[in-house]
Amino acid sequence: NAGVTQTPKFQVLKTGQSMTLQCAQDMNHEYMSWYRQDPGMGLRLIHYSVGAGITDQGEVPNGYNVSRSTTEDFPLRLLSAAPSQTSVYFCASSYVVGGAYGYTFGSGTRLTVV
Amino acid sequence: AQTVTQSQPEMSVQEAETVTLSCTYDTSESDYYLFWYKQPPSRQMILVIRQEAYKQQNATENRFSVNFQKAAKSFSLKISDSQLGDAAMYFCAYSAGNQFYFGTGTSLTVIP
Repeated sequence: NAGVTQTPKFQVLKTGQSMTLQCAQDMNHEYMSWYRQDPGMGLRLIHYSVGAGITDQGEVPNGYNVSRSTTEDFPLRLLSAAPSQTSVYFCASSYVVGGAYGYTFGSGTRLTVV
Repeated sequence: AQTVTQSQPEMSVQEAETVTLSCTYDTSESDYYLFWYKQPPSRQMILVIRQEAYKQQNATENRFSVNFQKAAKSFSLKISDSQLGDAAMYFCAYSAGNQFYFGTGTSLTVIP
């Protein structure tokens, strides 16, 4: 039972580069989301999905793109990396939309944009 | 807008002692859920305890318990018999509908 798998764990990008953070879950969870964690700001929601083919914006969506073609996968794309996107990124999933039973988190990706 | 406030950026506790972490939230919902998550240095987010707003009884998980005061919109976490492994960042979180909000976290240090 792998839970939520995030790759890569660490990444360094140059300003203007693009990349995709991968997230996969094997729990048949309908709800998946991406958060960024910055010091003193807690976790902020970037995008979320309530099922395959359905995505929506969270609190800080600018500069990020998502798609949900399958229940299992929810990749996060950085279109043109900026230093302000230096952060730790977490993917989370839940069986119930809205996380009434809490979220299962991936192990995070530490991204540095130089 | 719903917000979650953790007013203690840092706390410390002697090993084997008890510590309480504070959390307040703002909501107009009557049906919601509250959580405490632990984030050790490994960065992994671990669910510690969960409380359903319609339940008056405070949730308990081994050495972890909450004091849920619905009218005051307060949700504190008590850690009893603190252990070195309890050292971590602790996040309070609120969920209602498809919204999930986190506080800014409290960094807990356990002193041997």
